[in-house]
Amino acid sequence: GAGVSQSPRYKVAKRGQDVALRCDPISGHVSLFWYQQALGQGPEFLTYFQNEAQLDKSGLPSDRFFAERPEGSVSTLKIQRTQQEDSAVYLCASSLARSGGGELFFGEGSRLTVL
Amino acid sequence: AQSVTQLGSHVSVSEGALVLLRCNYSSSVPPYLFWYVQYPNQGLQLLLKYTSAATLVKGINGFEAEFKKSETSFHLTKPSAHMSDAAEYFCAVSSSSGGSYIPTFGRGTSLIVHP
Repeated sequence: GAGVSQSPRYKVAKRGQDVALRCDPISGHVSLFWYQQALGQGPEFLTYFQNEAQLDKSGLPSDRFFAERPEGSVSTLKIQRTQQEDSAVYLCASSLARSGGGELFFGEGSRLTVL
Repeated sequence: AQSVTQLGSHVSVSEGALVLLRCNYSSSVPPYLFWYVQYPNQGLQLLLKYTSAATLVKGINGFEAEFKKSETSFHLTKPSAHMSDAAEYFCAVSSSSGGSYIPTFGRGTSLIVHP
Protein backbone atom coordinates (compact mmCIF):
# COMPACT_ATOMS: atom_id res chain seq x y z
CA GLY A 1 0.00 0.00 0.00
CA ALA A 2 1.00 3.61 -0.44
CA GLY A 3 0.15 4.80 3.07
CA VAL A 4 1.59 4.32 6.56
CA SER A 5 0.81 0.86 7.84
CA GLN A 6 0.64 -0.08 11.51
CA SER A 7 0.27 -3.48 13.10
CA PRO A 8 -1.36 -4.90 15.03
CA ARG A 9 -4.44 -2.69 14.79
CA TYR A 10 -5.66 -4.01 18.13
CA LYS A 11 -3.69 -5.56 20.96
CA VAL A 12 -4.93 -6.78 24.32
CA ALA A 13 -2.22 -7.45 26.87
CA LYS A 14 -2.24 -8.61 30.44
CA ARG A 15 -0.54 -6.29 32.87
CA GLY A 16 3.15 -7.10 32.96
CA GLN A 17 3.38 -8.44 29.42
CA ASP A 18 5.70 -6.96 26.82
CA VAL A 19 4.25 -5.66 23.55
CA ALA A 20 5.74 -4.62 20.23
CA LEU A 21 4.00 -2.29 17.80
CA ARG A 22 5.17 -2.01 14.22
CA CYS A 23 5.11 0.94 11.84
CA ASP A 24 5.79 0.71 8.12
CA PRO A 25 6.17 4.27 6.84
CA ILE A 26 5.75 5.56 3.32
CA SER A 27 8.75 4.55 1.24
CA GLY A 28 11.38 7.27 1.11
CA HIS A 29 10.07 9.23 4.06
CA VAL A 30 12.96 10.47 6.15
CA SER A 31 11.15 11.41 9.35
CA LEU A 32 9.13 9.11 11.56
CA PHE A 33 7.18 10.08 14.66
CA TRP A 34 5.41 8.07 17.34
CA TYR A 35 2.52 9.58 19.27
CA GLN A 36 0.30 8.28 22.07
CA GLN A 37 -3.39 9.20 21.98
CA ALA A 38 -5.47 8.58 25.07
CA LEU A 39 -9.25 8.46 24.81
CA GLY A 40 -10.66 11.91 24.16
CA GLN A 41 -7.24 13.53 23.95
CA GLY A 42 -4.96 14.78 21.23
CA PRO A 43 -1.83 12.92 20.14
CA GLU A 44 1.05 13.25 22.62
CA PHE A 45 4.59 13.10 21.23
CA LEU A 46 6.70 10.10 22.18
CA THR A 47 9.75 9.99 19.92
CA TYR A 48 11.19 11.09 16.56
CA PHE A 49 13.56 9.47 14.06
CA GLN A 50 15.39 10.99 11.15
CA ASN A 51 16.36 7.98 9.06
CA GLU A 52 17.79 5.49 11.59
CA ALA A 53 18.81 8.13 14.13
CA GLN A 54 16.55 8.69 17.11
CA LEU A 55 16.90 12.45 17.49
CA ASP A 56 14.33 13.05 20.20
CA LYS A 57 12.91 10.65 22.76
CA SER A 58 11.86 13.21 25.31
CA GLY A 59 8.22 12.14 25.19
CA LEU A 60 8.74 8.52 26.20
CA PRO A 61 6.92 8.27 29.56
CA SER A 62 9.28 5.80 31.22
CA ASP A 63 12.22 3.52 30.58
CA ARG A 64 9.71 0.76 29.85
CA PHE A 65 9.19 2.39 26.45
CA PHE A 66 11.74 1.80 23.72
CA ALA A 67 11.68 2.57 20.00
CA GLU A 68 13.97 1.69 17.15
CA ARG A 69 14.29 2.15 13.40
CA PRO A 70 17.44 0.20 12.61
CA GLU A 71 17.48 0.53 8.81
CA GLY A 72 15.76 3.86 8.50
CA SER A 73 12.44 2.44 7.34
CA VAL A 74 10.30 0.16 9.54
CA SER A 75 10.06 1.20 13.18
CA THR A 76 9.05 -0.73 16.27
CA LEU A 77 7.76 0.69 19.53
CA LYS A 78 8.26 -1.72 22.41
CA ILE A 79 6.60 -1.45 25.79
CA GLN A 80 7.93 -3.65 28.54
CA ARG A 81 5.96 -4.77 31.60
CA THR A 82 2.79 -3.06 30.42
CA GLN A 83 0.66 -1.15 32.92
CA GLN A 84 -2.99 -0.17 32.71
CA GLU A 85 -2.04 3.46 32.13
CA ASP A 86 -0.34 2.39 28.89
CA SER A 87 -3.76 1.72 27.37
CA ALA A 88 -4.07 4.11 24.42
CA VAL A 89 -3.89 4.34 20.65
CA TYR A 90 -0.31 4.52 19.41
CA LEU A 91 0.03 6.54 16.24
CA CYS A 92 2.89 6.46 13.79
CA ALA A 93 3.45 9.24 11.26
CA SER A 94 6.03 9.73 8.56
CA SER A 95 7.14 12.75 6.57
CA LEU A 96 9.32 13.59 3.59
CA ALA A 97 10.65 16.60 5.48
CA ARG A 98 13.73 16.24 7.62
CA SER A 99 11.79 17.31 10.68
CA GLY A 100 8.25 18.25 11.65
CA GLY A 101 7.79 21.24 9.42
CA GLY A 102 6.20 19.23 6.68
CA GLU A 103 2.99 17.28 6.32
CA LEU A 104 2.71 14.22 8.53
CA PHE A 105 1.11 11.10 7.07
CA PHE A 106 -0.49 9.04 9.81
CA GLY A 107 -1.27 5.38 10.08
CA GLU A 108 -4.57 4.21 11.53
CA GLY A 109 -2.96 3.48 14.86
CA SER A 110 -2.50 0.49 17.14
CA ARG A 111 -5.03 0.36 19.95
CA LEU A 112 -3.48 -1.17 23.07
CA THR A 113 -5.67 -2.33 25.94
CA VAL A 114 -3.91 -3.49 29.09
CA LEU A 115 -6.04 -5.58 31.44
CA ALA B 1 8.38 25.69 24.43
CA GLN B 2 5.27 25.41 22.31
CA SER B 3 1.67 24.59 23.08
CA VAL B 4 -1.77 24.58 21.49
CA THR B 5 -5.15 25.38 23.01
CA GLN B 6 -8.35 24.39 21.26
CA LEU B 7 -11.35 26.07 22.80
CA GLY B 8 -14.37 23.80 22.99
CA SER B 9 -14.10 20.04 22.96
CA HIS B 10 -17.36 19.87 20.99
CA VAL B 11 -18.88 22.24 18.43
CA SER B 12 -22.35 21.61 17.10
CA VAL B 13 -23.69 23.28 13.95
CA SER B 14 -26.58 22.85 11.58
CA GLU B 15 -25.96 21.69 8.04
CA GLY B 16 -25.28 24.78 5.92
CA ALA B 17 -24.16 26.92 8.85
CA LEU B 18 -20.76 28.50 9.37
CA VAL B 19 -18.12 26.34 11.01
CA LEU B 20 -15.62 28.01 13.36
CA LEU B 21 -13.10 25.95 15.28
CA ARG B 22 -10.74 27.91 17.50
CA CYS B 23 -7.02 27.39 17.98
CA ASN B 24 -4.53 29.47 19.91
CA TYR B 25 -0.87 28.64 20.06
CA SER B 26 2.17 29.52 22.06
CA SER B 27 5.62 29.50 20.49
CA SER B 28 8.82 31.40 21.17
CA VAL B 29 9.81 31.35 17.50
CA PRO B 30 7.82 31.61 14.24
CA PRO B 31 5.98 28.35 13.91
CA TYR B 32 4.46 26.11 11.32
CA LEU B 33 0.75 25.64 12.01
CA PHE B 34 -1.49 22.81 10.89
CA TRP B 35 -5.04 21.57 11.01
CA TYR B 36 -5.63 17.83 10.80
CA VAL B 37 -8.93 15.95 10.58
CA GLN B 38 -9.64 12.48 11.93
CA TYR B 39 -12.66 10.53 10.75
CA PRO B 40 -13.80 7.55 12.85
CA ASN B 41 -11.42 4.61 12.70
CA GLN B 42 -9.07 6.45 10.38
CA GLY B 43 -5.71 8.12 10.74
CA LEU B 44 -5.26 11.87 10.93
CA GLN B 45 -5.02 13.63 7.58
CA LEU B 46 -3.84 17.13 6.76
CA LEU B 47 -6.48 19.78 6.09
CA LEU B 48 -4.16 22.73 5.68
CA LYS B 49 -0.81 24.17 6.71
CA TYR B 50 0.57 27.65 7.41
CA THR B 51 4.20 28.26 6.46
CA SER B 52 4.40 32.09 6.45
CA ALA B 53 3.77 32.45 2.70
CA ALA B 54 0.27 33.86 3.25
CA THR B 55 -1.78 34.53 6.36
CA LEU B 56 -4.98 33.10 4.86
CA VAL B 57 -4.55 29.45 4.05
CA LYS B 58 -6.97 27.43 1.98
CA GLY B 59 -7.26 23.72 2.52
CA ILE B 60 -9.22 20.76 1.31
CA ASN B 61 -13.00 20.36 1.45
CA GLY B 62 -13.64 24.12 1.55
CA PHE B 63 -11.85 24.78 4.85
CA GLU B 64 -9.57 27.73 5.43
CA ALA B 65 -7.67 29.22 8.34
CA GLU B 66 -6.22 32.63 9.07
CA PHE B 67 -2.95 33.16 10.89
CA LYS B 68 -3.14 36.16 13.24
CA LYS B 69 0.20 36.76 14.88
CA SER B 70 -1.07 39.51 17.19
CA GLU B 71 -3.70 37.16 18.58
CA THR B 72 -1.54 34.01 18.34
CA SER B 73 -4.51 32.34 16.69
CA PHE B 74 -5.10 30.02 13.76
CA HIS B 75 -8.87 29.48 13.69
CA LEU B 76 -10.41 27.09 11.17
CA THR B 77 -13.52 28.10 9.23
CA LYS B 78 -15.85 26.79 6.57
CA PRO B 79 -18.74 28.90 5.23
CA SER B 80 -21.26 26.09 4.99
CA ALA B 81 -21.13 22.84 6.97
CA HIS B 82 -21.87 19.51 5.35
CA MET B 83 -22.87 16.32 7.10
CA SER B 84 -19.65 14.72 5.89
CA ASP B 85 -17.63 17.30 7.87
CA ALA B 86 -18.51 15.57 11.14
CA ALA B 87 -15.16 14.46 12.55
CA GLU B 88 -12.47 15.28 15.11
CA TYR B 89 -10.27 18.27 14.25
CA PHE B 90 -6.80 18.84 15.65
CA CYS B 91 -4.71 21.98 15.55
CA ALA B 92 -0.93 21.53 15.71
CA VAL B 93 2.08 23.80 16.09
CA SER B 94 5.63 22.99 15.09
CA SER B 95 8.58 25.23 15.86
CA SER B 96 12.30 24.69 16.08
CA SER B 97 13.69 23.22 19.27
CA GLY B 98 17.32 22.19 19.14
CA GLY B 99 17.15 22.05 15.37
CA SER B 100 14.17 19.69 15.14
CA TYR B 101 10.56 20.61 14.55
CA ILE B 102 8.31 18.39 16.65
CA PRO B 103 4.58 18.94 16.08
CA THR B 104 2.53 19.49 19.23
CA PHE B 105 -1.19 18.78 18.96
CA GLY B 106 -4.17 20.25 20.73
CA ARG B 107 -6.79 18.14 22.51
CA GLY B 108 -9.08 18.19 19.51
CA THR B 109 -12.55 19.53 18.77
CA SER B 110 -15.34 17.21 17.79
CA LEU B 111 -17.51 18.77 15.07
CA ILE B 112 -21.12 17.64 15.14
CA VAL B 113 -23.30 18.50 12.15
CA HIS B 114 -27.03 18.01 12.44
CA PRO B 115 -29.64 18.26 9.71
